[in-house]
Amino acid sequence: DAGVIQSPRHEVTEMGQEVTLRCKPISGHNSLFWYRQTMMRGLELLIYFNNNVPIDDSGMPEDRFSAKMPNASFSTLKIQPSEPRDSAVYFCASSPAGTGTSPLHFGNGTRLTVT
Amino acid sequence: RKEVEQDPGPFNVPEGATVAFNCTYSNSASQSFFWYRQDCRKEPKLLMSVYSSGNEDGRFTAQLNRASQYISLLIRDSKLSDSATYLCVVNLGGYNKLIFGAGTRLAVHP
Repeated sequence: DAGVIQSPRHEVTEMGQEVTLRCKPISGHNSLFWYRQTMMRGLELLIYFNNNVPIDDSGMPEDRFSAKMPNASFSTLKIQPSEPRDSAVYFCASSPAGTGTSPLHFGNGTRLTVT
Repeated sequence: RKEVEQDPGPFNVPEGATVAFNCTYSNSASQSFFWYRQDCRKEPKLLMSVYSSGNEDGRFTAQLNRASQYISLLIRDSKLSDSATYLCVVNLGGYNKLIFGAGTRLAVHP
């Protein structure tokens, strides 16, 4: 099992640029989550999908953030335009079921720096 | 009140010590509870699930107190390799909406 795969591992961009983060969940997992982690705010849930459908996006900070899951094996998190305060580690995670009883499997994360 | 609260620490303990972390949660309807471990600059990894009757995995023991809405993690005979941040995780309703506490940092020294 390859685990959750995220790309890129590191992203450095200038303010105002578009950033796209990618995630491939573990095959067979029905739920996918995007988290953001900073020193000040810890791990924040941004959005999660169940069977490719967005269930709760209340954690998405602003309209500059959007996420899609066009199929069961791929998801993107896009920031447009990016701002320095978006600098953080963005984690994607998946779990096998959407019943509230399954733990999450995390990818290695994307470390985003916006200058 | 935060949905999941933990003492941030750090807890500095010598090898062989027993250390306990507590975590409180605000939603009485929560049904799933976990402890995750996160090493510096790494992703969080599941340490153990927490069951209603309490459960043990080697040197680690997890307890759940629904009436008081807190969970705990006990680590016995601490090892240097236990040094990490321990994250309390609680689900908030269906569809596996898992919320993480801010984490408790543990440093085990020789």
